[in-house]
Amino acid sequence: GAVVSQHPSWVICKSGTSVKIECRSLDFQATTMFWYRQFPKQSLMLMATSNEGSKATYEQGVEKDKFLINHASLTLSTLTVTSAHPEDSSFYICSASMQAVQPQHFGDGTRLSIL
Amino acid sequence: QKEVEQDPGPLSVPEGAIVSLNCTYSNSAFQYFMWYRQYSRKGPELLMYTYSSGNKEDGRFTAQVDKSSKYISLFIRDSQPSDSATYLCAMTHRGGSNYKLTFGKGTLLTVNP
Repeated sequence: GAVVSQHPSWVICKSGTSVKIECRSLDFQATTMFWYRQFPKQSLMLMATSNEGSKATYEQGVEKDKFLINHASLTLSTLTVTSAHPEDSSFYICSASMQAVQPQHFGDGTRLSIL
Repeated sequence: QKEVEQDPGPLSVPEGAIVSLNCTYSNSAFQYFMWYRQYSRKGPELLMYTYSSGNKEDGRFTAQVDKSSKYISLFIRDSQPSDSATYLCAMTHRGGSNYKLTFGKGTLLTVNP
């Protein structure tokens, strides 16, 4: 149980393109979803937290107009990287939690490469 | 001082060895402790979740929490090559919002056949 699906797993696109990443909880309802970024050989860096039906809460230094997050239902959250540039290339990972104090379950990540 | 300290390794052991992975933390408010395993180019996979001091066992894995010393451990018995991965400790606390996780840097483990 507690499966989180993330799509796509890998995307390559041209600079200036907007890219949408989907995160779905397949067998549970996620009250909270989280978006992380991970650089090679480093730990996860939290970008934002979203609760279903509410605006996302962004971490300091993360541009909310650059990284648009939508959490329209209890099983789906999306991250859109707008006007992506090469410096946005990274590994993006989502996680979902059933409720407070329950552990986060992670998707398999999306490798984003901007040319 | 970072909130969570974890030796990044790398740690290399022979197959069948007992592996000990550790994290220390400074925030006494942390109440919930997790260990995740992350294979290369994959998302972290939850291995253990505990919220009390003491030991919790699941198959070859044992999680140990010592809140008085602010120290958590993960033991892997009879280690296998398939255990080769990065192991991340994570913790959180009640209070604030959304129970954000604080991660260690991760320990890279290689189990040699």
